[in-house]
Amino acid sequence: QAGLTQPPSVSKGLRQTATLTCTGNSKNVGNQGAVWLQQHQGHPPKLLSYRDNNRPSGISERFSASRSGNTASLTITGLQPEDEADYYCSAWDSSLNAWVFGGGTKLTVL
Amino acid sequence: EVQLVESGGDLVQPGGSLRLSCAASGSTLSSNWMHWVRQAPGKGLVWVSGLARDGSFTGSADSVMGRFTISRDNVKNTVYLQMNSLRAEDTAVYYCATGSLDYWGQGTLVTVSS
Repeated sequence: QAGLTQPPSVSKGLRQTATLTCTGNSKNVGNQGAVWLQQHQGHPPKLLSYRDNNRPSGISERFSASRSGNTASLTITGLQPEDEADYYCSAWDSSLNAWVFGGGTKLTVL
Repeated sequence: EVQLVESGGDLVQPGGSLRLSCAASGSTLSSNWMHWVRQAPGKGLVWVSGLARDGSFTGSADSVMGRFTISRDNVKNTVYLQMNSLRAEDTAVYYCATGSLDYWGQGTLVTVSS
């Protein structure tokens, strides 16, 4: 199954803003929107947002998501050391009847 | 809040079989789609298999089609992944997750090696 496209790495300074991108097609990101997951080393993924820009309870407002066409974005403002993690986007693909994932973006907070 | 606990991971020889379990508390699994997602060492997340809440749909990734089967036991509130004809490339941490990937278990490690 074809996956979503994410940049492998992004580096930003403390308290800066990072924007991560995720590109799919009209059958996945462009259709159902994307979810964003955060994964710290050695831990399971955690949902940050779903259906483009809905945050589960307990997720900081510093995390916001959006979508334009087949590309989804996650913006993290006021970067903190604990934001250093791998970030994955995913979307349900209506033609594959499967979740497809991006390869993940490793965010480094300098 | 939903809590998921996977079990059943082990070291198994190529060609062998394993059954993973995912036990839920805080919610009835029958009201959720359920999925298995795996992560090979140092690699990204890959969807493995999914099961509709009413059991009307099951799906699997091409890489495991015909070898892995997802099922559920509503009485035990548990989802299973039966894995047969295991290969070295199936080595991974296997996570179960609820329908919109909103809740995840801690994962269970499957190692396929002789």
